[in-house]
Amino acid sequence: NAGVTQTPKFRILKIGQSMTLQCTQDMNHNYMYWYRQDPGMGLKLIYYSVGAGITDKGEVPNGYNVSRSTTEDFPLRLELAAPSQTSVYFCASSYGGNHQYFGPGTRLTVT
Amino acid sequence: QKEVEQDPGPLSVPEGAIVSLNCTYSNSAFQYFMWYRQYSRKGPELLMYTYSSGNKEDGRFTAQVDKSSKYISLFIRDSQPSDSATYLCAMSADAGGTSYGKLTFGQGTILTVHP
Repeated sequence: NAGVTQTPKFRILKIGQSMTLQCTQDMNHNYMYWYRQDPGMGLKLIYYSVGAGITDKGEVPNGYNVSRSTTEDFPLRLELAAPSQTSVYFCASSYGGNHQYFGPGTRLTVT
Repeated sequence: QKEVEQDPGPLSVPEGAIVSLNCTYSNSAFQYFMWYRQYSRKGPELLMYTYSSGNKEDGRFTAQVDKSSKYISLFIRDSQPSDSATYLCAMSADAGGTSYGKLTFGQGTILTVHP
């Protein structure tokens, strides 16, 4: 049981490039979330999903897109990367309650 | 005004000290209160979970909620170097129903316990 896995662990992007951050969970959780964490700013919700085919915006969705074709996977797409998207990205999942299980994070730098 | 305010610290204490971490909030709809612990370069993990006002104890950790003051605390007794981490408070208005499990997090407090 691996829990929540994220790839890649680190990535450097040039301004204007695109990439997909991968997230997979093996706990059969319906709910999945994407957060970004900036120093001293806590966790900000980007997008969330309550099941396959259902996604919705969180607090800071601009510049990002998501899809959820299976229960296990919830990729986050960055289009036209900007320096403001330099952050640590966390994926999380839950059975539907408040206990969220987090992945190890992806550190992204946009230069 | 932010919905949840947490002093980012950093907080540095000697081993064995009692640590008090605090959050204030403005949304009176919050009913569920959590503390997540995040070690350096790791994802957060749930440490304590409480509902409504009152205290909850788990080993060296005590979570306290005062809804009348919109104030929550986490106390760590006999702190250890292994407690060095960032502590994030989180809150929700329900147990995952209409809020879909979405949480509002504080900024996190960086704690260092030195031997």
